[in-house]
Amino acid sequence: AQSVTQPDIHITVSEGASLELRCNYSYGATPYLFWYVQSPGQGLQLLLKYFSGDTLVQGIKGFEAEFKRSQSSFNLRKPSVHWSDAAEYFCAGGYNKLIFGAGTRLAVHP
Amino acid sequence: GAVVSQHPSWVICKSGTSVKIECRSLDFQATTMFWYRQFPKQSLMLMATSNEGSKATYEQGVEKDKFLINHASLTLSTLTVTSAHPEDSSFYICSATDRGGDEQFFGPGTRLTVL
Repeated sequence: AQSVTQPDIHITVSEGASLELRCNYSYGATPYLFWYVQSPGQGLQLLLKYFSGDTLVQGIKGFEAEFKRSQSSFNLRKPSVHWSDAAEYFCAGGYNKLIFGAGTRLAVHP
Repeated sequence: GAVVSQHPSWVICKSGTSVKIECRSLDFQATTMFWYRQFPKQSLMLMATSNEGSKATYEQGVEKDKFLINHASLTLSTLTVTSAHPEDSSFYICSATDRGGDEQFFGPGTRLTVL
């Protein structure tokens, strides 16, 4: 069955530290892959997307993600986290219909 | 560009009443719209997919008679929760794709509370 897995439910980092949020997918073929951020009570904001080509994708707010076919992963990274990055992060995959991971809640310590 | 709006942003209703939520694409023609439900601290679950002028396709386990979806134009889809009950209280989010269809653009969501 098709699935998107985010192994980490909750992550806490210190402001200024680096961040990596994990995402694994299970599909018959490589799906389109997305990372979204959601602040409490808000809709989703697209951080970045991967369709094909260069496996390192740059997004907004200083985020990047690397697609690794051999690991079926699409991990999100940021070299230096800001307090305003505290939010819920969702990885999603699919073509027409999207399957969302369970989400990772990021807390940032000052 | 690619802005999707939802109305209302929040609604409180009594059990047994019906509630309509609108999803509009403001600056593009949405050939396909999606409706998701998100319970507190959970992920988004796709409820249904609708194409303009066609009947919606519902995901397994979603009651089509309870969640009525109408996609009457290329810029508007509506979700009507009929005979709402407290367990229908949730955050409902719509999204839309244009003719290219590679990316979904999400609305800001509607918080429904059924008393």
